[in-house]
Amino acid sequence: EPEVTQTPSHQVTQMGQEVILRCVPISNHLYFYWYRQILGQKVEFLVSFYNNEISEKSEIFDDQFSVERPDGSNFTLKIRSTKLEDSAMYFCASSERGSRGITYNEQFFGPGTRLTVL
Amino acid sequence: ELKVEQNPLFLSMQEGKNYTIYCNYSTTSDRLYWYRQDPGKSLESLFVLLSNGAVKQEGRLMASLDTKARLSTLHITAAVHDLSATYFCAVDVGETSGSRLTFGEGTQLTVNP
Repeated sequence: EPEVTQTPSHQVTQMGQEVILRCVPISNHLYFYWYRQILGQKVEFLVSFYNNEISEKSEIFDDQFSVERPDGSNFTLKIRSTKLEDSAMYFCASSERGSRGITYNEQFFGPGTRLTVL
Repeated sequence: ELKVEQNPLFLSMQEGKNYTIYCNYSTTSDRLYWYRQDPGKSLESLFVLLSNGAVKQEGRLMASLDTKARLSTLHITAAVHDLSATYFCAVDVGETSGSRLTFGEGTQLTVNP
């Protein structure tokens, strides 16, 4: 069964360093997402991406964050200068369709990357 | 700002018992999802509810959606230990071509023998 994969599973970095989190969405999916979950808290939307551009982003997704689809399979989240409060589990998700004008849309989540900022 | 509230946040129940988890949301939406998360793991899709009155069942879990009341329920029948996990509801309020899930706080369910 197709699944979303993410690497690495755990990333430890020093405050102020740049990190890149990688995701391989399901191959026929066109919409890609990043969410984060701070330990013990709810899952929060960061950004959605379609047709090589950002569709929507949340207030959390500030100038320190960027996303890219560098090739036909990878989808990356970059944090330019990490802060302690960026420590969280980051989930990538993908869906076949977006939400407007369709009757069904399901996001499939990857296993997550646990980011620890020291 | 959309609010998605789950109740209860913590639920400890005995095997064999029934219980309902509630999910209230504050804006119009007819797309609601339920996910399960085991500790340290990812989110597993349980149910997709796309219209008012939608009811879906899988094993001991049944989910329903009332868009007029802005309420979804996840009903657990004759709970077993394997159902212990955190359950999240999520509302889709995407405005552009993508979707955007807003999650509730999660209900941490523990089923005791």
